[in-house]
Amino acid sequence: NAGVMQNPRHLVRRRGQEARLRCSPMKGHSHVYWYRQLPEEGLKFMVYLQKENIIDESGMPKERFSAEFPKEGPSILRIQQVVRGDSAAYFCASSETSGSTYEQYFGPGTRLTVT
Amino acid sequence: GESVGLHLPTLSVQEGDNSIINCAYSNSASDYFIWYKQESGKGPQFIIDIRSNMDKRQGQRVTVLLNKTVKHLSLQIAATQPGDSAVYFCAENNGDYKLSFGAGTTVTVRA
Repeated sequence: NAGVMQNPRHLVRRRGQEARLRCSPMKGHSHVYWYRQLPEEGLKFMVYLQKENIIDESGMPKERFSAEFPKEGPSILRIQQVVRGDSAAYFCASSETSGSTYEQYFGPGTRLTVT
Repeated sequence: GESVGLHLPTLSVQEGDNSIINCAYSNSASDYFIWYKQESGKGPQFIIDIRSNMDKRQGQRVTVLLNKTVKHLSLQIAATQPGDSAVYFCAENNGDYKLSFGAGTTVTVRA
């Protein structure tokens, strides 16, 4: 029973390039959340998606960042024209449904380094 | 500012001793709290949770205490083992899907 899967685990990009981070939720989970973790800090909520819908993107920068969760395939977090400040660990979590009752299961994260 | 935070950034504990990790929160509307363990290079792993209508909950070797009067949460780990070395985060949820994490406490177990 696979857990939340993320790839790549490590990603290096030069300033100005695009980064694409993928997340496959746990089987049976239709709710996906993306969080960002800067070094020595806790995780910060970015965006919450259900299949084909962005429910809440209040934690995501307005510029350069976008997320999707298509009907088929993984959820994608896309960062265009990356800058050094985008270097962080990006975690995806999934849940069976939404709300405070339901546990969010986290993936292993993608560590993005911008050079 | 942060609604969830931890009192100490690091904790060193002798193997076999009990560990206590503290967390303060400021949002009195929060009704659900979770402790996560994060090992190096991995994602957060659920340890234990507690709802605001409880003040204590026990798991296997772990106990979470909630004091709503002073908005304080603690995680107690009994008989700490080397495998308990990790960063521990408290997180709160105030009724929706967003988890708010504190900065974390790094626990180091001494042999």
